[in-house]
Amino acid sequence: AQSVAQPEDQVNVAEGNPLTVKCTYSVSGNPYLFWYVQYPNRGLQFLLKYITGDNLVKGSYGFEAEFNKSQTSFHLKKPSALVSDSALYFCAVRDYSSGGSYIPTFGRGTSLIVHP
Amino acid sequence: SQTIHQWPATLVQPVGSPLSLECTVEGTSNPNLYWYRQAAGRGLQLLFYSVGIGQISSEVPQNLSASRPQDRQFILSSKKLLLSDSGFYLCAWAMGTEAFFGQGTRLTVV
Repeated sequence: AQSVAQPEDQVNVAEGNPLTVKCTYSVSGNPYLFWYVQYPNRGLQFLLKYITGDNLVKGSYGFEAEFNKSQTSFHLKKPSALVSDSALYFCAVRDYSSGGSYIPTFGRGTSLIVHP
Repeated sequence: SQTIHQWPATLVQPVGSPLSLECTVEGTSNPNLYWYRQAAGRGLQLLFYSVGIGQISSEVPQNLSASRPQDRQFILSSKKLLLSDSGFYLCAWAMGTEAFFGQGTRLTVV
């Protein structure tokens, strides 16, 4: 079984400050890890993914995430937050040994609020 | 490029009425297709997935059903809606390690 935990329901940060949205995962094999962003009443937009290779993954809108296998974490980061980054962020994991059907498991989501 | 269309964007339906939400994918063939429900603006619950025409797997027992009449078409249905069916429904397609989501349908059952 695979699972994802996003321990913070909400993260508040001032504009211009660095931000971190936390994610930890559990899979029986090796993970594929993803971050998505959702704006109000909209679908999910893909931000970035880790499949293999460099542990630091760079994605859309200046976001990056660091895969840490020993801590089973995949925290989302951005050096300087913008008010427009305020949204709901989802971490997702898939065990790549689970076969041909991609069924990601999503975390509960973290609401990021960036204050002017 | 691959795109996914989902409609309608919003829907208000009375209790006991039928439901049909449609999702179509362009620019790909034989995708894996998914229906998710997002309740209370937070977590995503996988409702159905399909790996091919006519192949539907249900993740949770419920008042809804899904069908895949064509390779790139995925339909979410109900014969009689319940108040508890209200929520935000998302269609998604995936192939390999890529997954993309539709814009969602806000369903309100009154």
